[in-house]
Amino acid sequence: DTEVTQTPKHLVMGMTNKKSLKCEQHMGHRAMYWYKQKAKKPPELMFVYSYEKLSINESVPSRFSPECPNSSLLNLHLHALQPEDSALYLCASSQGPVNEKLFFGSGTQLSVL
Amino acid sequence: KQEVTQIPAALSVPEGENLVLNCSFTDSAIYNLQWFRQDPGKGLTSLLLIQSSQREQTSGRLNASLDKSSGRSTLYIAASQPGDSATYLCAVSRGAQKLVFGQGTRLTINP
Repeated sequence: DTEVTQTPKHLVMGMTNKKSLKCEQHMGHRAMYWYKQKAKKPPELMFVYSYEKLSINESVPSRFSPECPNSSLLNLHLHALQPEDSALYLCASSQGPVNEKLFFGSGTQLSVL
Repeated sequence: KQEVTQIPAALSVPEGENLVLNCSFTDSAIYNLQWFRQDPGKGLTSLLLIQSSQREQTSGRLNASLDKSSGRSTLYIAASQPGDSATYLCAVSRGAQKLVFGQGTRLTINP
């Protein structure tokens, strides 16, 4: 299994809603990532987990809250988002924490109304 | 601050042609460089990863080269096919799990 699975594929939420994005991999990878991608722009790093511990937070607003319950699962909890947060949210994983090939999921297309 | 530039932003060629995509970076102190492919509304697929000590990597019809001293990488696609149409992104690793992406080249292969 060489897949990174993200659910849901599409999500529409209001500014007062609470929702979560889910990411799963069964490749035994020990590093997992959240990226945000706006239309026609490259992905921007949000968070990195190494060995289930948060190692990088790229100054992301607190309305985004990551969670890594175990080595295979990564969540992104969303609360009180703004319309400008609408984007494609990508999860990725790599074998180790440094300089490894990244495997990306297909993403969650998020629309905030 | 590392900056990655990809030229051209868009490229359209007839099927069967060989083509080259370019990537340049400002800081030669990189750990590796990756080329990705992205289809519209989808995630990224890693095509090739070149470690800083390597000069090139090949996979099927794809060949990527790396010249750290000049801050350049190229992705060569041989015998292009309509299925190769996608956006191609290069990204350099500056360690600590951080990738810096270029803006991408949107490639269209015309049948």
